[in-house]
Amino acid sequence: AQKITQTQPGMFVQEKEAVTLDCTYDTSDPSYGLFWYKQPSSGEMIFLIYQGSYDQQNATEGRYSLNFQKARKSANLVISASQLGDSAMYFCAMRGVNTGFQKLVFGTGTRLLVSP
Amino acid sequence: DTAVSQTPKYLVTQMGNDKSIKCEQNLGHDTMYWYKQDSKKFLKIMFSYNNKELIINETVPNRFSPKSPDKAHLNLHINSLELGDSAVYFCASSLGQGNTGELFFGEGSRLTVL
Repeated sequence: AQKITQTQPGMFVQEKEAVTLDCTYDTSDPSYGLFWYKQPSSGEMIFLIYQGSYDQQNATEGRYSLNFQKARKSANLVISASQLGDSAMYFCAMRGVNTGFQKLVFGTGTRLLVSP
Repeated sequence: DTAVSQTPKYLVTQMGNDKSIKCEQNLGHDTMYWYKQDSKKFLKIMFSYNNKELIINETVPNRFSPKSPDKAHLNLHINSLELGDSAVYFCASSLGQGNTGELFFGEGSRLTVL
């Protein structure tokens, strides 16, 4: 079974600072993908970044980077130069080969608040 | 052009009623999903369909019946609504089975059962 753990229910950061949102996972899948999604207060789910389990380099997308440590089963999201618009819920998720990559399993989320 | 669209966006109804939520994607994806987000924001998969075929049914009560008339549509019908069905229901789509790409989500349908 796959499990995603996000231990930070809430995080605060000041504008322009960097913030790390933690995510650990547990799976027996030999191949899997890790995702981060953002859910602003308007409710939509916005895909941010993806990391494959066999990718050698950490994924980056603009101000988002994923600190992937496979041996520790962690996939932390780093947001650099936070902006007020980054205030939202952030979800870590994974899907693996054992379910044909059909089942995206989510963590409980971290609410990020960016202050001026 | 909205990639994944769901209607209606809001439903308010009484216990015991039946309701449907429709979902359409114009991305050419083979796989579609229904997710439920509860009041604590936890997102859980309910169903996934690949090319109109049910792939995952995540121990959802029989009162929930998905229907996929073609690979661009996945509708959700709920019978005999209960208070605990109140949630936001998200439709999503992705490339075919075995693909590791991201899911594209609709805007969600907020169901309130009174």
